[in-house]
Amino acid sequence: SQKIEQNSEALNIQEGKTATLTCNYTNYSPAYLQWYRQDPGRGPVFLLLIRENEKEKRKERLKVTFDTTLKQSLFHITASQPADSATYLCALDQAGTALIFGKGTTLSVSS
Amino acid sequence: NAGVTQTPKFRVLKTGQSMTLLCAQDMNHEYMYWYRQDPGMGLRLIHYSVGEGTTAKGEVPDGYNVSRLKKQNFLLGLESAAPSQTSVYFCASTSGQTTDTQYFGPGTRLTVL
Repeated sequence: SQKIEQNSEALNIQEGKTATLTCNYTNYSPAYLQWYRQDPGRGPVFLLLIRENEKEKRKERLKVTFDTTLKQSLFHITASQPADSATYLCALDQAGTALIFGKGTTLSVSS
Repeated sequence: NAGVTQTPKFRVLKTGQSMTLLCAQDMNHEYMYWYRQDPGMGLRLIHYSVGEGTTAKGEVPDGYNVSRLKKQNFLLGLESAAPSQTSVYFCASTSGQTTDTQYFGPGTRLTVL
């Protein structure tokens, strides 16, 4: 069955450093992958989408890579700030009708 | 635009009681989804709809029913609530393009005693 794993439940870094979150998947070949941010008590909010034929996508301080050979996506936040503290979810498309979400990685940025 | 709204925000039920969660979107989206989120389990798809009058099962549909009588509304029903259905429920919608963003509601926190 399809499986998505986000490398760790929690990641703690210092302000100004680059945060790198990992999303791995098995038994699947998604056409695209999405990353969402979720703050406590709120619904997820879309951040970035990357397609299978794109190696890298950037948006301001965010960068996503997608390696279909390794079946892995990396999500980077450069010059991290305390306001970046949140849970980050990766999601893969499922036959074009729904998304499968990973369990998320909770990022804490300390000042 | 309000986006995606959910009613109610909080609810406490006793085992065996029934209730309906309402999701409404004002973006004219075709696809709508119901998820549940539990600690350590992430978001899991319960049911979804690809258009008015259609519904389909997701990963964890047992114990739930849904209806999409109007394009803008997607209802999630619990006929006989069980403690295992204690969770946070999120509704989401998207235009239907496979690469479109999913827009989520604020969630409903349900406790079944």
